[in-house]
Amino acid sequence: AQSVTQLGSHVSVSEGALVLLRCNYSSSVPPYLFWYVQYPNQGLQLLLKYTTGATLVKGINGFEAEFKKSETSFHLTKPSAHMSDAAEYFCAVTSPGGDKIIFGKGTRLHILP
Amino acid sequence: DGGITQSPKYLFRKEGQNVTLSCEQNLNHDAMYWYRQDPGQGLRLIYYSQIVNDFQKGDIAEGYSVSREKKESFPLTVTSAQKNPTAFYLCASKIGGIGQPQHFGDGTRLSIL
Repeated sequence: AQSVTQLGSHVSVSEGALVLLRCNYSSSVPPYLFWYVQYPNQGLQLLLKYTTGATLVKGINGFEAEFKKSETSFHLTKPSAHMSDAAEYFCAVTSPGGDKIIFGKGTRLHILP
Repeated sequence: DGGITQSPKYLFRKEGQNVTLSCEQNLNHDAMYWYRQDPGQGLRLIYYSQIVNDFQKGDIAEGYSVSREKKESFPLTVTSAQKNPTAFYLCASKIGGIGQPQHFGDGTRLSIL
């Protein structure tokens, strides 16, 4: 069965520091993977997606993620954190039939001044 | 601009009442979804629909009902059988095909009076 585990429900980084949000997945088929961001009282916005091909995926707002099949990971990074990056981040994987998306429980990112 | 519109933004329900949350999309997407979001629990799937006049139960369908009479619309009714309806409800849609991301509305926050 498909599942997603996000390590750390809360992560704090200083402004200007590296952002690393961890995501591990379990999938019975080649996975399609996503990262979404949610600001307070808003819906989810797609940051980036991995389908096939290049394993390093670039998204919006300077974020990128690397698909590592051997480690079943899809960690999200950004070289330099900005105050505006404070939000909740969700990693997700497509169900085997492609009709649903399974979400992780989310990681809230705090940016320290 | 194309997008997903959820209304109202805030909704209050008295004990024993049914309430209906609206979700409309003009993206010409085939599939639509309803999620419930509670703090620390991520997104839980309530119902989804891949074509008009057809829908499937998600993980927490009890106490909820839906209809899909038009491609653009997927209203969710929270019935009096749902004993703990206070939550943030998110509607999403996606185009057909495996690996396509879901697009989200801005949510409806439901509270019990």
